[in-house]
Amino acid sequence: DGGITQSPKYLFRKEGQNVTLSCEQNLNHDAMYWYRQDPGQGLRLIYYSQIVNDFQKGDIAEGYSVSREKKESFPLTVTSAQKNPTAFYLCASRQTDSNTEAFFGQGTRLTVV
Amino acid sequence: EDQVTQSPEALRLQEGESSSLNCSYTVSGLRGLFWYRQDPGKGPEFLFTLYSAGEEKEKERLKATLTKKESFLHITAPKPEDSATYLCAVRSNYGGATNKLIFGTGTLLAVQP
Repeated sequence: DGGITQSPKYLFRKEGQNVTLSCEQNLNHDAMYWYRQDPGQGLRLIYYSQIVNDFQKGDIAEGYSVSREKKESFPLTVTSAQKNPTAFYLCASRQTDSNTEAFFGQGTRLTVV
Repeated sequence: EDQVTQSPEALRLQEGESSSLNCSYTVSGLRGLFWYRQDPGKGPEFLFTLYSAGEEKEKERLKATLTKKESFLHITAPKPEDSATYLCAVRSNYGGATNKLIFGTGTLLAVQP
């Protein structure tokens, strides 16, 4: 099936640890995005990438890092510099040669323990 | 600054009781308004895209409309399975980042049998 796969579904992080969230898509989309969702807030953009080997900071990039070495993959690392990492993380992708919608993965819930 | 406001925050309906959700927006250079449905613990599922004032889209019990300042998601004779959070997002040309989506905080809809 075509779609976006995020893993793991649940992730627990200890204080001071870096963790990496996986996002893979087989839709052949150029653009990929990472959002963070907190209760009572809209989705906030962390990073986005419109092409392989290029990415831009979103509105809340501090404490996060990404890479885009392959078109299909856009992993997000939550570093120890992110002071409040507990949240629901969503990955999305879309085709950029038309003004189309973004498709989302099923999310990763990250909890600091 | 580009902004999206959804109302009400929460809405409780009886099965069969029609109603509307509102999405007000201010954006420089609207390139599309998007409605998504999100179930608890899942990623958003795409519903509709609207591009210009006066446009309407329908899908089963849902109908989305667009004016120059707001969009409505009309729900006709809802069923309990329509219970979800409905998210509105706009794509603007803010800062030249034409792929940026700006989300509202959503409306939590509960339909009781």
